[in-house]
This record gives sequence, C-alpha cells and structure tokens, in this order.
Amino acid sequence: DIVMTQSPDSLAVSLGERATINCKSSQSVLYSSNNNNYLAWYQQKPGQPPKLLLYRASTRESGVPDRFSGSGSGTDFTLTISSLQAEDVAVYYCQQYYSTPFTFGPGTKVDIQ
Amino acid sequence: EVQLVESGGGLLQPGGSLRLSCAASGFTVSSDYMSWVRQAPGKGLEWVSVIYSGGSTYYADSVKGRFTISRDSSKNTVYLQMNSLRAEDTAVYYCARGVGYNFLCHWGQGTLVTVSS
Repeated sequence: DIVMTQSPDSLAVSLGERATINCKSSQSVLYSSNNNNYLAWYQQKPGQPPKLLLYRASTRESGVPDRFSGSGSGTDFTLTISSLQAEDVAVYYCQQYYSTPFTFGPGTKVDIQ
Repeated sequence: EVQLVESGGGLLQPGGSLRLSCAASGFTVSSDYMSWVRQAPGKGLEWVSVIYSGGSTYYADSVKGRFTISRDSSKNTVYLQMNSLRAEDTAVYYCARGVGYNFLCHWGQGTLVTVSS
C-alpha cells in the first residue's frame, strides 16, 4: 500500500499570508504513460464533507479560487494557499489515486493566526 | 445538478450487519467510479471501497471480506453491505463519485454508523 504523510500537522497563518502544506507518498504516483501525477487535494470544513480542490497534483477543480495551487511530482507534493482568507480555515488532505487502496494523508489543519 | 444522498446509518452492536445506500441524481452511477470513504469521529479520511463502471470492485484491507459494494442501475443507487461490524467501523460513511479517475469530485453529506454494545 502507498502510505501518504503530510506536514505540518497544523499551521496558523495570518490573513493574507501564504500557507504551505506538504504531502509525501511512499512510492511514486507518477503514471509514466501519460506523465500525470495521480495526486488530489481536498478541503474539509467542520461538519461538511470534503471538497475536491486539485487533481493531477496541480489542476484546479472548477470553481476553486486561484489562490489555491499545487505543485510537485513523483513522491513530493505541495499545496499552497497564496493569500489566506477566513473561509480557508479547514483541514486539508492529500490522496493518491494511483493504486488501490486509494490512501489519504492524515490531514493538515489550517487556522488563522 | 449532481447529488449524492446516503442513508442507512444507525446504531448497532458488534457483529451486526447494515446496508448503506447512496442515491444519485444528475448522472448515472454505472457510468462512473463510485467510492465509499469513511471518517471516524475526530479522525481523518479512510478510503473504503470502489466500484468501477465495468463492475470491478476493490476494498481496503480493513474491510475486505466483511464489506461488499454494489450498485443498482435501475435505482441509480450504490450500496455498501457491511457485515461482522466492529467498534472500529464506527464512522461517518461518505459516498463519492469519480469521473474517469479515482479522485473524488462529488461527495454526499454522509451517514453515521455507530457500532457499540
């Protein structure tokens, strides 16, 4: 099974500042035949289901603000919120969909400082 | 508009069985990848199972042999039959849709399953 880790466990950022979350997979999730990384990012606010933010590591889902961006390849990935807004307070999860079981990272909680 | 509505959760004793339903609208469940994901109280997300458009199914090791995913195209509904339930199966169970790939673009609101004596 591919093990996903995230760092930090939590972070507090001032409004308008940058938040950066790291995700690492225990093996590559880069699908060589199409050069796509099978890595997604989700946002979950309290009492709500998760919401897809990014897939293929860096492709924003429709309607997701462009302050959310993703980067990385292979085993190391980053989610960046360029200018944190109050509505971004949430837990963020990465997920690999390269192979079953489609494992999630443990989550990173983002708060306002 | 795509909508997923889970039902069937409840309180039951260890060793019991339960069937969760996920009624879909706005798309056809047999055309897409349908997954179940669970979240224990205060914990993170755990992928549970997927059924592909072709009918293939896969499970997390933690539920393999106890849970069965299926679908009824006539009702446009996906199911999760859960047998031999354990306390550690206590969670909110979400139904989610993947389109062509297994990232999950639509989620239901979830249904709570509590296993306790």
